[in-house]
Amino acid sequence: DADVTQTPRNRITKTGKRIMLECSQTKGHDRMYWYRQDPGLGLRLIYYSFDVKDINKGEISDGYSVSRQAQAKFSLSLESAIPNQTALYFCATSDFLGRDNYNEQFFGPGTRLTVL
Amino acid sequence: DAKTTQPPSMDCAEGRAANLPCNHSTISGNEYVYWYRQIHSQGPQYIIHGLKNNETNEMASLIITEDRKSSTLILPHATLRDTAVYYCIVKGSNYQLIWGAGTKLIIKP
Repeated sequence: DADVTQTPRNRITKTGKRIMLECSQTKGHDRMYWYRQDPGLGLRLIYYSFDVKDINKGEISDGYSVSRQAQAKFSLSLESAIPNQTALYFCATSDFLGRDNYNEQFFGPGTRLTVL
Repeated sequence: DAKTTQPPSMDCAEGRAANLPCNHSTISGNEYVYWYRQIHSQGPQYIIHGLKNNETNEMASLIITEDRKSSTLILPHATLRDTAVYYCIVKGSNYQLIWGAGTKLIIKP
């Protein structure tokens, strides 16, 4: 079984709809992240969480919200989807390994979201 | 936050060493350099990271210049399965990884 899973894998929705993307992990990591990727570009960080009581905005948080329901679950919501939120969305996890803040991130398979 | 510059694409013959360059001239003293790759549109996969010294693991080697302003990822014996987009990343503030557009590496038979 995959260590980081995302549901759904594909979603088509309409402008103005509320949508939730879910991420679950079995790696036991405290840190979780949501990224979006647009065609031909690298990943951009939306939100990240260092534990269940910690939520932080990333580079592009406007129009998104998150919920950290448990150590293993981190959900991303689009309250009112718009077409320019059409993108590939990735969830990732990492562990904290001490003083050098090294954080190898483990990624889920991605969710392809299309907003019409 | 430090940014990275990579060539948009490179070719390499199967079985040869693939050398992927990266410039990070504004890197600060305590920032690590990370390399990830992304095959098709799958989730990115960690390859290697380093601070000052050269590093090697089962996937690749990382050569960092003495002034730390550039680095090279080396895949010693490239296979067709190494065709992917390779990202050179430095860690920015608040533990964020700053991703560029990467290098699309095409391994040719």
